[in-house]
Amino acid sequence: AQSVTQLGSHVSVSEGALVLLRCNYSSSVPPYLFWYVQYPNQGLQLLLKYTSAATLVKGINGFEAEFKKSETSFHLTKPSAHMSDAAEYFCAVTYTGGGNKLTFGTGTQLKVEL
Amino acid sequence: KAGVTQTPRYLIKTRGQQVTLSCSPISGHRSVSWYQQTPGQGLQFLFEYFSETQRNKGNFPGRFSGRQFSNSRSEMNVSTLELGDSALYLCASRPETGVVGEAFFGQGTRLTVV
Repeated sequence: AQSVTQLGSHVSVSEGALVLLRCNYSSSVPPYLFWYVQYPNQGLQLLLKYTSAATLVKGINGFEAEFKKSETSFHLTKPSAHMSDAAEYFCAVTYTGGGNKLTFGTGTQLKVEL
Repeated sequence: KAGVTQTPRYLIKTRGQQVTLSCSPISGHRSVSWYQQTPGQGLQFLFEYFSETQRNKGNFPGRFSGRQFSNSRSEMNVSTLELGDSALYLCASRPETGVVGEAFFGQGTRLTVV
């Protein structure tokens, strides 16, 4: 079975500071990994995806994530936080043969302070 | 292209009633998945439909059911509502040629059971 663990349910950063949101996965087969963002009262928006083509994945809004098999991690980063980045972020995993069922982490609420 | 459309956005129902939620996928997308989001359980997969057939199912009681029509629009039904069914229900669609698991989400239907 696949699973993801997001460390830190709440993360607070200053505007302009580095954003680092942690995600570790567990999968017995090669995984497909995703980061989604959810703004209040909205659905989920895809930020980026890992599909084994490249270990460093760039997404929208300046976010990127690096797949590290040795550490079973897929942490999300952004060099400089903006107030508009305040939202909840979800890491998700699936695999070939798993259909399109996504297994989500519990989410990390990002707060950006002035 | 229009995004995934879910109706209604908000719904209040009484315990014991049943409810039907609707989802119109992005034009050309034939796969539709449903997720339940609650503060306690997070995001959980309900089921996936493709070409009017249920392709995958999560671990939910039989009170939760769905269907897909020939135009790919999908509905989910919850019978004999319980207070614990209060949640944000998210629908997601994906193209056939898309990356496994990559999904485009609607804004959700907020169901409150009183």
